[in-house]
Amino acid sequence: GAVVSQHPSRVICKSGTSVKIECRSLDFQATTMFWYRQFPKQSLMLMATSNEGSKATYEQGVEKDKFLINHASLTLSTLTVTSAHPEDSSFYICSARDGGVSNSPLHFGNGTRLTVT
Amino acid sequence: SQKIEQNSEALNIQEGKTATLTCNYTNYSPAYLQWYRQDPGRGPVFLLLIRENEKEKRKERLKVTFDTTLKQSLFHITASQPADSATYLCALGGMDSSYKLIFGSGTRLLVRP
Repeated sequence: GAVVSQHPSRVICKSGTSVKIECRSLDFQATTMFWYRQFPKQSLMLMATSNEGSKATYEQGVEKDKFLINHASLTLSTLTVTSAHPEDSSFYICSARDGGVSNSPLHFGNGTRLTVT
Repeated sequence: SQKIEQNSEALNIQEGKTATLTCNYTNYSPAYLQWYRQDPGRGPVFLLLIRENEKEKRKERLKVTFDTTLKQSLFHITASQPADSATYLCALGGMDSSYKLIFGSGTRLLVRP
């Protein structure tokens, strides 16, 4: 089945530094990937839609200059949290669809637990 | 305002019983609805898809219903097992031309042996 690999699984960084999270589709090509953020016991909040070869589409309230998304190939999207602050501490999860049908399931990575000290 | 509501309290049931989880939504018109399972510290895993013109879908011990008049989906696990313990998320899609999925906050299911 379709596999999405996300790295790193955990990262601790100091306030003011930047962190890059990678999301790879291992056995399929993904022209579109989705980045979500999840706080404890809360829903997955869609942050942005990553489009291969073009600019990402950000959801309302998400700062595009703070959460930089790059989707340079059909199998890799990266999310960079710039100038991280403690309030950015969260669980970040990427996902992608295997296939072009809009209702096909999302395949998720196992998430990245970011802790900013 | 737009909302997706799942019971925030954990559902605690005895092994062998049927678990029923609810997903209600307001001010959305989804073309389809999906259910996912999420284990602690992991990404969600897809379980079932049901389209707006379908009343019910089944897969092994799982059953999903979709009532667009009530704006509600029910998710059933029959003959529940301790291994079914997890958080179950509903997600709405097809509200516009985008491929986005909007998730509920999930309901935690605990199956006692």
